[in-house]
Amino acid sequence: GAGVSQSPSNKVTEKGKDVELRCDPISGHTALYWYRQSLGQGLEFLIYFQGNSAPDKSGLPSDRFSAERTGGSVSTLTIQRTQQEDSAVYLCASSETGASQPQHFGDGTRLSIL
Amino acid sequence: SQQGEEDPQALSIQEGENATMNCSYKTSINNLQWYRQNSGRGLVHLILIRSNEREKHSGRLRVTLDTSKKSSSLLITASRAADTASYFCATDARAGGFKTIFGAGTRLFVKA
Repeated sequence: GAGVSQSPSNKVTEKGKDVELRCDPISGHTALYWYRQSLGQGLEFLIYFQGNSAPDKSGLPSDRFSAERTGGSVSTLTIQRTQQEDSAVYLCASSETGASQPQHFGDGTRLSIL
Repeated sequence: SQQGEEDPQALSIQEGENATMNCSYKTSINNLQWYRQNSGRGLVHLILIRSNEREKHSGRLRVTLDTSKKSSSLLITASRAADTASYFCATDARAGGFKTIFGAGTRLFVKA
């Protein structure tokens, strides 16, 4: 596809369940980012991938959050034992090679924890 | 803590007027970027200005960067209703890893 694709677009789940969010970056982009955005707020950095490696995981809020990237392409963000404070929009972005380059964003996954 | 902070938090203007948004940051940077976000959508990259540049133009957008004051401004000239969106600045710090740090954004409302 032409842009960054995220799925699902919306996810509603019960507290304590695990969720998996998917990101398909622009083909050929080696850098991939995950962010979290609460209502009316800015973006909170979660994790950065360069290829399949994650040199910066410092933004992951707790050990319930993990992410992986396979084949230098698709990435999944997994949240285990979800809590209500995990409710937010999770945005994925990719860029050609990484640092100091424009990032291309998907439209996000809106996660609601009941 | 957030690197970039925008002001004002919200701005309401009439179509045809100019809109100016400001961004301040805390540490030395490689570059600063401005993004736009329409409601319910992802961010769209507008313009990137490098640390050794002072001003950059793109269509109706003008961005300035003052590294001595650690601040940047985004000017949108002759605004249109379609410019209604949230605008964010983002910085890549020279030190401290690979993070791109976004500010809390300015919500711009352009009245037709």
